[in-house]
Amino acid sequence: QKEVEQNSGPLSVPEGAIASLNCTYSDRGSQSFFWYRQYSGKSPELIMFIYSNGDKEDGRFTAQLNKASQYVSLLIRDSQPSDSATYLCAVSASSGGGADGLTFGKGTHLIIQP
Amino acid sequence: DVKVTQSSRYLVKRTGEKVFLECVQDMDHENMFWYRQDPGLGLRLIYFSYDVKMKEKGDIPEGYSVSREKKERFSLILESASTNQTSMYLCATVRGSSYEQYFGPGTRLTVT
Repeated sequence: QKEVEQNSGPLSVPEGAIASLNCTYSDRGSQSFFWYRQYSGKSPELIMFIYSNGDKEDGRFTAQLNKASQYVSLLIRDSQPSDSATYLCAVSASSGGGADGLTFGKGTHLIIQP
Repeated sequence: DVKVTQSSRYLVKRTGEKVFLECVQDMDHENMFWYRQDPGLGLRLIYFSYDVKMKEKGDIPEGYSVSREKKERFSLILESASTNQTSMYLCATVRGSSYEQYFGPGTRLTVT
């Protein structure tokens, strides 16, 4: 049974600070890793994906992957109130991205305090 | 701009009814997916499809079937709806080996 674990939160972070979201996964064969953002009542939208160990940066977002520890994280720098949402971690066993579907964590609810 | 549409935003059906949820995408994507999302359980994969007339079971296929007669359309079928199928249903697509999975707006189904 593939499992993806996230702290449900809420995680409260002051505006302008760094928000750190964490995720662990059970399937050592997982190849691709994704972070989605989901606003209340909306569908998930992809923020970033990563498939190699190390860091990947895109604007204010940095994804970090450590396959040996089976750990993925998302850092949000200069947090804004508009970043308040639920963040979903997802993994795929496929090296070609999510072609076989994704296994999602239950999400971390992030609140950015003005 | 990728567009994934779902036939209804809200749907109310009675126990035992046959229910069809439709998903249409306009980007010629090969792969399409059906998930359900429930509080405390997260998003779970029901079925997916690589191509027309192809289908694969996801993690929770029991009580569901699917149909893909055309590349752009992927239908989820509840043969005999039950109250435990009350949920938010989300369709998604991804193009081949792309890493980007696009979600539709979702259908909130209530079975009474």
